[in-house]
Amino acid sequence: KAGVTQTPRYLIKTRGQQVTLSCSPISGHRSVSWYQQTPGQGLQFLFEYFSETQRNKGNFPGRFSGRQFSNSRSEMNVSTLELGDSALYLCASSLTSGGAPYNEQFFGPGTRLTVL
Amino acid sequence: AQSVTQLGSHVSVSEGALVLLRCNYSSSVPPYLFWYVQYPNQGLQLLLKYTTGATLVKGINGFEAEFKKSETSFHLTKPSAHMSDAAEYFCAVTPGGGTSYGKLTFGQGTILTVHP
Repeated sequence: KAGVTQTPRYLIKTRGQQVTLSCSPISGHRSVSWYQQTPGQGLQFLFEYFSETQRNKGNFPGRFSGRQFSNSRSEMNVSTLELGDSALYLCASSLTSGGAPYNEQFFGPGTRLTVL
Repeated sequence: AQSVTQLGSHVSVSEGALVLLRCNYSSSVPPYLFWYVQYPNQGLQLLLKYTTGATLVKGINGFEAEFKKSETSFHLTKPSAHMSDAAEYFCAVTPGGGTSYGKLTFGQGTILTVHP
């Protein structure tokens, strides 16, 4: 079974631009979560989508948004990029989220965003 | 609210020596606990998890961890380090029962170096 895929793997943008990152979950997984990883702040939760609905959101400004499509693929968008948005953006998929038993999150390789 | 503290941002061991990576957590409800490993330019891979049941959990690649509620700890150990264990390790927590949809709270990470 193919793993979680993220495109593109690397991206360079300039301040003020916007960017869209894509995540394709493992087949059959309906939950997709996004995380930002930086040397200073570590791994931080952005948001989670399930069946096209955002069910949980981290403490990030409104410039960060996402969506999920009916095939469970997800995109995240960052508008008006700032230098501090440079990071590795990871997505993770799971069968479901919430309730028991716990369903493991499987992570993709990430998209490395550099903002100049 | 949940939080994770990993003691020691860098740990160095000799090949064949014991690996001990420390993790303490704070959680307002019974937690689910995880250890992930990240190799350079890759996503996160789950090593092991504690949800319910036995407090000594065995994972992949010879790693194990013990959930100690009284000490709020979930330390990761491996009896004999191998060169291939060199990576960054993350401890993570989420509320038990799956009430925090998709959200894992991570520690700051510990970089493990293995010397020949």
